[in-house]
Amino acid sequence: DTEVTQTPKHLVMGMTNKKSLKCEQHMGHRAMYWYKQKAKKPPELMFVYSYEKLSINESVPSRFSPECPNSSLLNLHLHALQPEDSALYLCASSQSSGEKNIQYFGAGTRLSVL
Amino acid sequence: KNEVEQSPQNLTAQEGEFITINCSYSVGISALHWLQQHPGGGIVSLFMLSSGKKKHGRLIATINIQEKHSSLHITASHPRDSAVYICAALQNTDKLIFGTGTRLQVFP
Repeated sequence: DTEVTQTPKHLVMGMTNKKSLKCEQHMGHRAMYWYKQKAKKPPELMFVYSYEKLSINESVPSRFSPECPNSSLLNLHLHALQPEDSALYLCASSQSSGEKNIQYFGAGTRLSVL
Repeated sequence: KNEVEQSPQNLTAQEGEFITINCSYSVGISALHWLQQHPGGGIVSLFMLSSGKKKHGRLIATINIQEKHSSLHITASHPRDSAVYICAALQNTDKLIFGTGTRLQVFP
């Protein structure tokens, strides 16, 4: 099983809403990632969790708040987003952080902020 | 200049043609990913390689560490191969540096 499951697939929210994106993997991977992808652009790294601890935050605005409640789950809490935050949000996982660990991606959550 | 450059940006082919997508990088890497993204989102990891050559079905990936260059080849291309192909360099941190992608369309 090389599946990374993201829910929901689509999300529409207003600028005052609070919502959460969820990512789950059962491959025993200990590193999990959030990426943001705008149309026709490559993904941009947002956060990396390694062994359930935040190891990389790419200067992401605080309206995005990641959480890793256990080694299989990764959440991204959203609050007071702006229309320019509309994008495809991708989760990935790998066996561990560091060298040579292939990243497996989920199908993404397509977010629209109105 | 991007740290990871891909060429061509767009590629069209007739079914059955042999396809090559190139990736050059200017940073030190521990490995290089080749990824496939179909319209609508999800990314599939095709290969991760740090030396030599890997083959999976009709796909072949090669890397030359000295020349900082990698290629992805598709033999006997098929319309279902139509997708965006992205190379991404893995540095010694957890960070992938992505190329801008090559949009491939294969026509029957």
